[in-house]
Amino acid sequence: GAGVSQSPSNKVTEKGKDVELRCDPISGHTALYWYRQSLGQGLEFLIYFQGNSAPDKSGLPSDRFSAERTGGSVSTLTIQRTQQEDSAVYLCASSANSPLHFGNGTRLTVT
Amino acid sequence: GENVEQHPSTLSVQEGDSAVIKCTYSDSASNYFPWYKQELGKRPQLIIDIRSNVGEKKDQRIAVTLNKTAKHFSLHITETQPEDSAVYFCAGGLSGGYNKLIFGAGTRLAVHP
Repeated sequence: GAGVSQSPSNKVTEKGKDVELRCDPISGHTALYWYRQSLGQGLEFLIYFQGNSAPDKSGLPSDRFSAERTGGSVSTLTIQRTQQEDSAVYLCASSANSPLHFGNGTRLTVT
Repeated sequence: GENVEQHPSTLSVQEGDSAVIKCTYSDSASNYFPWYKQELGKRPQLIIDIRSNVGEKKDQRIAVTLNKTAKHFSLHITETQPEDSAVYFCAGGLSGGYNKLIFGAGTRLAVHP
């Protein structure tokens, strides 16, 4: 079956521009997560959605970052006024119970 | 909140040897501890997980042990093969998808033929 799908796979943007990253979770998965992975680094938690509950935004690094999940399915992570330190791979994962299933990520490069 | 520490950051072994990666967690409420393997340029993939109602779980050459009292858990890979070379991440959280998973910083394992 289809796994977690993320788009675009690569995004190059100029410093100061806004970007939107998209995640299509596995159908039926109620939990959706965004993580950030800088080059050679670990998985930094950003935000977590679970069903209709208020999202856990405790990992968002600044108010330039926001995310929404429409209809309990597709999620969009928006980064406003991008900075060079935002360059990383942004990974989305979804879950029906405990195991997280990751997408291939979006590699964001801010020039 | 949960904090997960992972050691070592890099590990180099000869093919056929065993490899052990250790993690500690801070939140005593955590009851779910998965391990993910990430090959270069690929997504993290679950290789094994353990819940706090058991102390050990094994799947072929891979085993995980959990010490709830000490709040640490370990990944054991026996008879390592070159294809085991990857970055391994541990994580801790609550089972059932009711909370976020916090990941360790990762261990880069290199298995030399």
